[in-house]
Amino acid sequence: GAGVSQSPRYKVAKRGQDVALRCDPISGHVSLFWYQQALGQGPEFLTYFQNEAQLDKSGLPSDRFFAERPEGSVSTLKIQRTQQEDSAVYLCASSPAQATNEKLFFGSGTQLSVL
Amino acid sequence: DQQVKQNSPSLSVQEGRISILNCDYTNSMFDYFLWYKKYPAEGPTFLISISSIKDKNEDGRFTVFLNKSAKHLSLHIVPSQPGDSAVYFCAASPYAGGTSYGKLTFGQGTILTVHP
Repeated sequence: GAGVSQSPRYKVAKRGQDVALRCDPISGHVSLFWYQQALGQGPEFLTYFQNEAQLDKSGLPSDRFFAERPEGSVSTLKIQRTQQEDSAVYLCASSPAQATNEKLFFGSGTQLSVL
Repeated sequence: DQQVKQNSPSLSVQEGRISILNCDYTNSMFDYFLWYKKYPAEGPTFLISISSIKDKNEDGRFTVFLNKSAKHLSLHIVPSQPGDSAVYFCAASPYAGGTSYGKLTFGQGTILTVHP
């Protein structure tokens, strides 16, 4: 497909479980972002990759959150020992440029529900 | 601290009339502003943007106005259509260039409903 693809679309986890969320950016896009969107709020920045380098992880809420992009394309956001407050939609976005205000292309998100 | 605020959670407009969505920001480092549109179960899609060196940018039915002194921007949709019904997010970014990048800070969103 031509757009940003995220999987799974929905994820239900029991509190304490580990989850892994996948993002396939648009082919060739250098920049990749992860955002967290709580119900009724706007997306909030989690982390930024330029190719395989994670240049900013200042938005990750705790050390239970970990993101990687080992080959500079697909990225995985991992949440360990999930808590109820982790319930949100996790959005991935990519952009063709590395230093850019250019518009981001967003995926449809993964809706995570922690019970 | 909410650096980008959209104070109207919702807006209802009649088809054919003007829709005006507002956004305020507090961070003087913001240099670039964007509006995104989001339909249910989809990711946000880019709508229109404006650089801080301009005070207006127009694209078809959509116009964004920026008032830097008031730290305020607005999105005008004329004429409004039922298909415009969606959540609209205002976003702001600092200057991007060299080794910096444009990390977006979003507002809470405004639900626009356009009635036929």
